[in-house]
Amino acid sequence: KAGVTQTPRYLIKTRGQQVTLSCSPISGHRSVSWYQQTPGQGLQFLFEYFSETQRNKGNFPGRFSGRQFSNSRSEMNVSTLELGDSALYLCASSSPNRGTYEQYFGPGTRLTVT
Amino acid sequence: AQSVTQLGSHVSVSEGALVLLRCNYSSSVPPYLFWYVQYPNQGLQLLLKYTSAATLVKGINGFEAEFKKSETSFHLTKPSAHMSDAAEYFCAVNPMKTSYDKVIFGPGTSLSVIP
Repeated sequence: KAGVTQTPRYLIKTRGQQVTLSCSPISGHRSVSWYQQTPGQGLQFLFEYFSETQRNKGNFPGRFSGRQFSNSRSEMNVSTLELGDSALYLCASSSPNRGTYEQYFGPGTRLTVT
Repeated sequence: AQSVTQLGSHVSVSEGALVLLRCNYSSSVPPYLFWYVQYPNQGLQLLLKYTSAATLVKGINGFEAEFKKSETSFHLTKPSAHMSDAAEYFCAVNPMKTSYDKVIFGPGTSLSVIP
């Protein structure tokens, strides 16, 4: 079974621009969560989508948004990029029906804002 | 507030030596517990999980962890370190056993293996 895939793997953007990251979950997984990982803050939860609906949202500004499509693929968007948005963005998929809430992570997208 | 601590941001062991990575959590009820490993430029890979079944949990790559309720700990061990074990290790706790926004990740421990 193919794992979680994320595209692109690396991005370099300029302050003020916007960016869209993509995540394809494991086949059959309907929950997709996004995390931001930085050396200073560690792993921080951004949001979770399930069946095309945002189910939970972390403590991030409205510049961070996302969506999920009917095939469970998800995108996240960051508008008006700031230097502090430089991070590794991880997507994780899961099947909550299994009841254990274990997550399977993709390789991440490394975003650098200059 | 719920928290996860990992004692030692960096641990070094010799190849073939015991690996012990510590994780303590604060939770009023036994949570779900996870250990993940992250290799450079990669995402997190699930090593093992505790979900209120056996307290000694075996995972992939020869790792295991023991849930000790009295100590609120979930330490990760491996009898004999291999060079390929060098990576960052994260302990994670889901205190409410529900949605992912409640999952708390520890700060991570970087494991170095000395040949």
